[in-house]
Amino acid sequence: GENVEQHPSTLSVQEGDSAVIKCTYSDSASNYFPWYKQELGKGPQLIIDIRSNVGEKKDQRIAVTLNKTAKHFSLHITETQPEDSAVYFCAAAFGNEKLTFGTGTRLTIIP
Amino acid sequence: NAGVTQTPKFQVLKTGQSMTLQCAQDMNHEYMSWYRQDPGMGLRLIHYSVGAGITDQGEVPNGYNVSRSTTEDFPLRLLSAAPSQTSVYFCASSLTGGRYEQYFGPGTRLTVT
Repeated sequence: GENVEQHPSTLSVQEGDSAVIKCTYSDSASNYFPWYKQELGKGPQLIIDIRSNVGEKKDQRIAVTLNKTAKHFSLHITETQPEDSAVYFCAAAFGNEKLTFGTGTRLTIIP
Repeated sequence: NAGVTQTPKFQVLKTGQSMTLQCAQDMNHEYMSWYRQDPGMGLRLIHYSVGAGITDQGEVPNGYNVSRSTTEDFPLRLLSAAPSQTSVYFCASSLTGGRYEQYFGPGTRLTVT
């Protein structure tokens, strides 16, 4: 089955700086790569996703890049704000049935 | 719309007891799934369903049963609770499958002593 590795497990950045979280996946047939944000005491929520026919997608301060040859994808958050502090999960899906998640990154924004 | 609801919010069980975690959605989603979240291990898929009457195993199905008699409900049954099942459980739903936005419930924190 699919295996997704996520790094780093914790990340602290100064407010206003950028944050980058990286994931690698094992199944070259995977074709859907979402990112979820989980705030304390809540369920994860989708923040951005990318499908394998594009290399980059942006939504305001958030961007995701995909390198299918190297089998890795990354989340970029620019101009970080205190409300960006949360746990972030990457995931990968092959076909339409199972979604495999990474182990999560706890992002802390330092004021 | 209430979205995805889960009950109970918290539960403490003794080893060997059984219980059912409830999950319901009001978005007419075909796909529903159960995950468990443990520190350092992310979200792991327990069971999923692509529609009423259809269920399948995920990554960590042992010790859990599911059924899907209606589109709205997807209960998770613990047959004989073990301390290794101490975790936070999330139910999620999406329009048709894993390649679409998953809507997660608020979670159930389960402790097995």
